[in-house]
Amino acid sequence: GENVEQHPSTLSVQEGDSAVIKCTYSDSASNYFPWYKQELGKRPQLIIDIRSNVGEKKDQRIAVTLNKTAKHFSLHITETQPEDSAVYFCAASTKGVYSGGGADGLTFGKGTHLIIQP
Amino acid sequence: EAQVTQNPRYLITVTGKKLTVTCSQNMNHEYMSWYRQDPGLGLRQIYYSMNVEVTDKGDVPEGYKVSRKEKRNFPLILESPSPNQTSLYFCASSPTGTDEQFFGPGTRLTVL
Repeated sequence: GENVEQHPSTLSVQEGDSAVIKCTYSDSASNYFPWYKQELGKRPQLIIDIRSNVGEKKDQRIAVTLNKTAKHFSLHITETQPEDSAVYFCAASTKGVYSGGGADGLTFGKGTHLIIQP
Repeated sequence: EAQVTQNPRYLITVTGKKLTVTCSQNMNHEYMSWYRQDPGLGLRQIYYSMNVEVTDKGDVPEGYKVSRKEKRNFPLILESPSPNQTSLYFCASSPTGTDEQFFGPGTRLTVL
């Protein structure tokens, strides 16, 4: 099955600086890579995602890059703000018994606790 | 309002007492899934369902059961809960397995 490794587990940056979180995956068949943000006491929410036919995607201060050859993808947050403090999870699509050409879910990384220092 | 709901939100129970956590979505999604979240371990999939009457094991299915008799509902059943099932549980739904997953608010379960 798919294995997703995420680093670092904790990242502390000064407000206004950039933050980068990296993930690697093992299954070359994975083709969908979302990033979720989870604020304290809240549910995970999608912030950005990328599919395997695209190398980079950007949404305001957030960007994701994908290197299919190396099987790794990264989240980039520029001009960090206090409200960016949260746990971030990467994920990769997985195939199961009922794949039928589509994937059967997501395997998540263990998460990165991003701390924005004032 | 499009949403995923879970009940109960908090539950304290004792070892061996059967319990059910309900999950319901109103977005007509085919795919639903259960995760447990433990410190340092991230989100681990318990079971998922591609459609009505179609379910399969995730990474940590031991001690859990599910059913999908209706498209909107996907209950999680613990037949004989044990303390190692103390965790934060999330239900999620999406149109397919590879679209945005919408998470419920979570259920914090403590098994004594």
